Amino acid sequence: EAGVAQSPRYKIIEKRQSVAFWCNPISGHATLYWYQQILGQGPKLLIQFQNNGVVDDSQLPKDRFSAERLKGVDSTLKIQPAKLEDSAVYLCASSSPGQGHEKLFFGSGTQLSVL
Amino acid sequence: AQTVTQSQPEMSVQEAETVTLSCTYDTSENNYYLFWYKQPPSRQMILVIRQEAYKQQNATENRFSVNFQKAAKSFSLKISDSQLGDTAMYFCAFMKVDDMRFGAGTRLTVKP
Repeated sequence: EAGVAQSPRYKIIEKRQSVAFWCNPISGHATLYWYQQILGQGPKLLIQFQNNGVVDDSQLPKDRFSAERLKGVDSTLKIQPAKLEDSAVYLCASSSPGQGHEKLFFGSGTQLSVL
Repeated sequence: AQTVTQSQPEMSVQEAETVTLSCTYDTSENNYYLFWYKQPPSRQMILVIRQEAYKQQNATENRFSVNFQKAAKSFSLKISDSQLGDTAMYFCAFMKVDDMRFGAGTRLTVKP
């Protein structure tokens, strides 16, 4: 079974530039999560999708962050414009009721450096 | 809102010895799940062990076991016979329905 795929693995940009991250969850997983993990901290939930609908985006800085999950499969997280404090690892995870909805499968993340 | 606290930023243990990582959480919920995840330098979050709050019996997975104290809202991880490959960040996590929150993590170093 293929795991959660994320790309790119690394990204370096200058502040005020735009960046996008891509995530392809495990096939059949209805729930998709984006987490932000700042160095030295635990992952913080940014947004959660159930199929193509948003379940929770209360911690997403909506003035600069956006995410979509068209067709309820893969997802894109965008930052526009980026700030220095956005430097972090962005983790994508997915889960499915069939596999124990309480178990999340994580991708390897995208490490973003904003200079 | 649920919060998860890991009070030990760093810990170290000698190879083959036992170490315990602490975690406390705050919730008003009665039914929930607790997890320990391992994150090596590869950044991959690896599930170590899971505990359902409605189960009184502590979960065990090979060398990993937990001490779940529901009334005290405590969920510690014990690693027995520590191995060099156990060196990683360890995160405690709380989950209600499908909302998962993480602690700040404990960096564990296993010394040869």
